Amino acid sequence: SVLLYQKPNRDICQSGTSLKIQCVADSQVVSMFWYQQFQEQSLMLMATANEGSEATYESGFTKDKFPISRPNLTFSTLTVNNARPGDSSIYFCSSRDKTGSDYTFGSGTRLLVI
Amino acid sequence: QQQVRQSPQSLTVWEGETAILNCSYEDSTFDYFPWYWQFPRESPALLIAIRPVSNKKEDGRFTIFFNKREKKLSLHITDSQPGDSATYFCAASATGGYKVVFGSGTRLLVSP
Repeated sequence: SVLLYQKPNRDICQSGTSLKIQCVADSQVVSMFWYQQFQEQSLMLMATANEGSEATYESGFTKDKFPISRPNLTFSTLTVNNARPGDSSIYFCSSRDKTGSDYTFGSGTRLLVI
Repeated sequence: QQQVRQSPQSLTVWEGETAILNCSYEDSTFDYFPWYWQFPRESPALLIAIRPVSNKKEDGRFTIFFNKREKKLSLHITDSQPGDSATYFCAASATGGYKVVFGSGTRLLVSP
């Protein structure tokens, strides 16, 4: 299975500031995704990170608020712009391999906005 | 994103009993159904998965039963152990879509 490394593991930021989360895969992956999880709730798919092009966002998530980049097949970043306390949650990157059967998750980034 | 529904929201069983977790979906194009488990403060991890070509998938104490006609599936955990206590997510994806959609989860507690 592919290993995904996320950083930072956790962060605290002031309201109105921005935070960037990085996700690195130890090998090339076809697709990368970003999920948001509020405490003890389900994982909400935020967007699909597309290599070399704009991300595809799900309903309720926008590129202005959560810009995503994916310059190559092993790396993606998620930025949380104008952070608000309601953005406090865990953000996971995820990837899918070529078979479509192996989905793995990064270790997550726990964000607290104060 | 309520394309995958799970019940019950929480479940408590005694050690040694069989836990049954239910899942249903709406989108007929879904053709891959993984179950993930998540322990507190950890990432979700793939537990077991099934494709519609089968109506049953077994891996040790964990078995998925799949009913394509009714768009329902269930995860059975036999001889439940306290270490099985976690939140279980049913998920679904479609070939070509690639993205995985998660249900709301079932929090399982196995009491010794």
